[in-house]
Amino acid sequence: IAGITQAPTSQILAAGRRMTLRCTQDMRHNAMYWYRQDLGLGLRLIHYSNTAGTTGKGEVPDGYSVSRANTDDFPLTLASAVPSQTSVYFCASSEGTSGAHEQFFGPGTRLTVL
Amino acid sequence: GQNIDQPTEMTATEGAIVQINCTYQTSGFNGLFWYQQHAGEAPTFLSYNVLDGLEEKGRFSSFLSRSKGYSYLLLKELQMKDSASYLCAVRDHDYKLSFGAGTTVTVRA
Repeated sequence: IAGITQAPTSQILAAGRRMTLRCTQDMRHNAMYWYRQDLGLGLRLIHYSNTAGTTGKGEVPDGYSVSRANTDDFPLTLASAVPSQTSVYFCASSEGTSGAHEQFFGPGTRLTVL
Repeated sequence: GQNIDQPTEMTATEGAIVQINCTYQTSGFNGLFWYQQHAGEAPTFLSYNVLDGLEEKGRFSSFLSRSKGYSYLLLKELQMKDSASYLCAVRDHDYKLSFGAGTTVTVRA
């Protein structure tokens, strides 16, 4: 059982380049999320999707876009990367959005924008 | 939005007990979660509280007081492997999680 996977594990990117971070889960979870984690700031929600075909903006959505064409995949795209997007990115999924449904996190992608 | 505060660091001795406090100010509340995160790894779920009171899970317990906007995570019989960051997260009425910055616990022999 893979759970939730992310690719790439790490990436160094030139400013201005386009980049897509991939996230796939095999748990048939309805909801998926993208967070960034920066030292001293904790995890911040970028975008989320409560079910396939729908997406929503989180706390820090600017400069990022997502799509949810099917249940399993939730890619995050940086259209034109900037150095302030240097961070560790975590994808997460949950069976539902209410009750005791916890979020399961992927291993993360460490992104450096130069 | 949510404002979530927890101490930055705590140190304790192997075998001891440590209590990590979390206070929050929220425009809506729909549950509180605690996660553990080892350095360089993903967060993993520890506990969930939505009603006032104590939830116990082995060596870990979590308490919630909604009227005070307060929770704590209690770690008993500390082991070296408990050295990690502990994240308090509050879910709002839109079912989104907001995380505190995390408390780094160091367990010393």
